[in-house]
Amino acid sequence: AQSVTQLDSHVSVSEGTPVLLRCNYSSSYSPSLFWYVQHPNKGLQLLLKYTSAATLVKGINGFEAEFKKSETSFHLTKPSAHMSDAAEYFCVVSGFSGGYNKLIFGAGTRLAVHP
Amino acid sequence: NAGVTQTPKFQVLKTGQSMTLQCAQDMNHEYMSWYRQDPGMGLRLIHYSVGAGITDQGEVPNGYNVSRSTTEDFPLRLLSAAPSQTSVYFCASSYSWPITWGGGTGNTGELFFGEGSRLTVL
Repeated sequence: AQSVTQLDSHVSVSEGTPVLLRCNYSSSYSPSLFWYVQHPNKGLQLLLKYTSAATLVKGINGFEAEFKKSETSFHLTKPSAHMSDAAEYFCVVSGFSGGYNKLIFGAGTRLAVHP
Repeated sequence: NAGVTQTPKFQVLKTGQSMTLQCAQDMNHEYMSWYRQDPGMGLRLIHYSVGAGITDQGEVPNGYNVSRSTTEDFPLRLLSAAPSQTSVYFCASSYSWPITWGGGTGNTGELFFGEGSRLTVL
């Protein structure tokens, strides 16, 4: 069965410092992986997606993620945090569970950015 | 384009009442879905539709009904509200089936989300 684990529920960084949001997944098949961002009182927006092309995926707003099959990880990074990056981030894996194809969402990581 | 529009944004119900959450998209997307978001649990799929006239259950369908009479609209009905249905509900659409089967290539569509409907059941 497919699953996704976001290793930190909260991450706090200072503005201008690097961001690392960690995600591990479990999948019986070659997965598709996504990162979505949710700003307060807003819907989710796609940051980036991995679909078995390049293992290093670049997304919007300077974010990128690297697919590491050996580590079953898809961590999200950004070299320099901005105040506007404060939001909740969801790692998502495609999978087949319970008899149907589905997207499996992680529990989310709330990123706080301090001046 | 308005994208995905959900109404109402906020609603308070009493136990046993029924209501409909509306969702409309103007992107001509075939795939539409409803999720609920609860603290610490990510998003869980309630129902989905791959086209007009076609709906199916997701992970947590009990207590909810859907229909898809047009490509644009995908309402979610709560039949008899219960406090356990207090949540934030998101409608999402996609041009193509948003996942792949057996591989990571092909039509892996981006999900476009509405801004959510916050429901409280007393």
